[in-house]
Amino acid sequence: AQKVTQAQTEISVVEKEDVTLDCVYETRDTTYYLFWYKQPPSGELVFLIRRNSFDEQNEISGRYSWNFQKSTSSFNFTITASQVVDSAVYFCALSEASSNDYKLSFGAGTTVTVRA
Amino acid sequence: NAGVTQTPKFQVLKTGQSMTLQCAQDMNHEYMSWYRQDPGMGLRLIHYSVGAGITDQGEVPNGYNVSRSTTEDFPLRLLSAAPSQTSVYFCASSNPRGTQYFGPGTRLTVL
Repeated sequence: AQKVTQAQTEISVVEKEDVTLDCVYETRDTTYYLFWYKQPPSGELVFLIRRNSFDEQNEISGRYSWNFQKSTSSFNFTITASQVVDSAVYFCALSEASSNDYKLSFGAGTTVTVRA
Repeated sequence: NAGVTQTPKFQVLKTGQSMTLQCAQDMNHEYMSWYRQDPGMGLRLIHYSVGAGITDQGEVPNGYNVSRSTTEDFPLRLLSAAPSQTSVYFCASSNPRGTQYFGPGTRLTVL
């Protein structure tokens, strides 16, 4: 069974503050993929990042960074120097490679509000 | 490329009515899927397809049918709409690396 937990329901910060979103997952597979998606107020789902289970290297993309730790089954996401445009719901998701069908299990999402 | 397109964007149905949500992709992806999004529950998989002629059930398939006659199209049918099917529906397609790209969504209300 797959399970993704995003314990933070809502986070509110002032512009330029850093914000970290937590994601904890459960899987019995040794090979799996982790994702983050962004859903802005307009409603579409925007792909942000994909990480393989065998690649624990952290990644930075502009103001976004991701910390993947297999030892704690976590894949946390940090927005540095947040901006109002970062206000959105962020989803963490898991896919198991063994099933070969790319099914995604999503967390419940974290709503980030960045105040000017 | 248009990516993944969905029609309609909004729909209101009465209980018992049937309808089809359309989904198309122009990226030649083999894998396509349908999710529903409900408040506080994230997205849940309804049905998916790994190629033309092949479909399978996801986490919440009851009340929905799908078919996949072409690579491009993956329609979702509601046979007899119920208020519990009020939701936002997303179609997605996946590249060979497994990254799923989503359509803009259809907001469905069943009265």
